[in-house]
Amino acid sequence: EDKVVQSPLSLVVHEGDTVTLNCSYEVTNFRSLLWYKQEKKAPTFLFMLTSSGIEKKSGRLSSILDKKELFSILNITATQTGDSAIYLCAVPNTNAGKSTFGDGTTLTVKP
Amino acid sequence: NAGVTQTPKFRVLKTGQSMTLLCAQDMNHEYMYWYRQDPGMGLRLIHYSVGEGTTAKGEVPDGYNVSRLKKQNFLLGLESAAPSQTSVYFCASSTQNSNQPQHFGDGTRLSIL
Repeated sequence: EDKVVQSPLSLVVHEGDTVTLNCSYEVTNFRSLLWYKQEKKAPTFLFMLTSSGIEKKSGRLSSILDKKELFSILNITATQTGDSAIYLCAVPNTNAGKSTFGDGTTLTVKP
Repeated sequence: NAGVTQTPKFRVLKTGQSMTLLCAQDMNHEYMYWYRQDPGMGLRLIHYSVGEGTTAKGEVPDGYNVSRLKKQNFLLGLESAAPSQTSVYFCASSTQNSNQPQHFGDGTRLSIL
């Protein structure tokens, strides 16, 4: 059975801090890992990672994949209160047509 | 540009009542999904569909049924609601390549008393 584990489950930081969120996985037929951000409502897509060692970057957010050790990290530098959200990691099972989601990391950024 | 639309947004039911949640997408996506989200538990897949007329069970299918009679719509039914089904329900869709990001609706908050 596919498994995706995120850590920590929750995190409280102050504005300006840098955070690292972790996602480890055990899946068959791995092809990609996706990160989503969920604020009040629907999760929205952040990054898709398919290759080890290649960093994806968008502003203050970046993510990287290690296919040998089966994990990914999501970094957020100079955090702002608007970064407060649940961050979800997901790994598709392309043979089955579905994805397995981790339990998410709830990030709270205090002013 | 609607994307994925869920109806209703909120609902309160009594134990034993039935209801149907509607999900509609206008992106011509093949794949559609129903998830539930409980505090601290991420998204758990209830049922999903890889095409019109086909459905499959996810990890928590008990107590739910689904139908995909039209490509753009995916219905989630609760035949006899139970308090354990109190949750936020999300619908999502994606292209035929499940390697691609899913697009989510804004969720339905359902309370069963």
